[in-house]
Amino acid sequence: DARVTQTPRDKVTEMGQEVTMRCQPILGHNTVFWYRQTMMQGLELLAYFRNRAPLDDSGMPKDRFSAEMPDATLATLKIQPSEPRDSAVYFCASGPELAANTGELFFGEGSRLTVL
Amino acid sequence: KQEVTQIPAALSVPEGENLVLNCSFTDSAIYNLQWFRQDPGKGLTSLLLIQSSQREQTSGRLNASLDKSSGRSTLYIAASQPGDSATYLCAVPGVGTYKYIFGTGTRLKVLA
Repeated sequence: DARVTQTPRDKVTEMGQEVTMRCQPILGHNTVFWYRQTMMQGLELLAYFRNRAPLDDSGMPKDRFSAEMPDATLATLKIQPSEPRDSAVYFCASGPELAANTGELFFGEGSRLTVL
Repeated sequence: KQEVTQIPAALSVPEGENLVLNCSFTDSAIYNLQWFRQDPGKGLTSLLLIQSSQREQTSGRLNASLDKSSGRSTLYIAASQPGDSATYLCAVPGVGTYKYIFGTGTRLKVLA
């Protein structure tokens, strides 16, 4: 049963602490996306990767957020230092190459972050 | 810049009704359009994917149509059931980009 796996599912931390969220994309998918969802803004694209290379991270606050793919089975999103306004649900999604396949996007269950 | 709008924002209907959810997008140069369902506290589940060359896709009681020229897509749900209650979102990536842009969603409640 292929699925996108995210950890942790829930994280409560204090302002100023470092937070790392991890994502295991579906095997064989070469595009990976990080989204943030809040009631006010809906789903916002933070970053996306193709073949592990970052293609666009313009949606991410550069001073505190960083996204990487150390290998094809792991994507990370790090916030340092965290702030209360970072409280949201962070989703990872993966998909096959758009040009070569259907382009369908598969989402993980999300990591709910609360920064006090 | 691609913008995606969904109307209505919320909808409440009695069980058994047929209903239509709308999605509009500003840039018609898209690879495909995808409809998702999101249950509270959960991730997004793909419902239907329409390629840019297609006009519609069907899965069970769901039918999605795509009119690229007018920048619109509709999701038709036949014989709605309480289990259909969820938020429905549409998303489009632009040609030449892998960025999926999402609408704000339609929150559907089907009353028993």
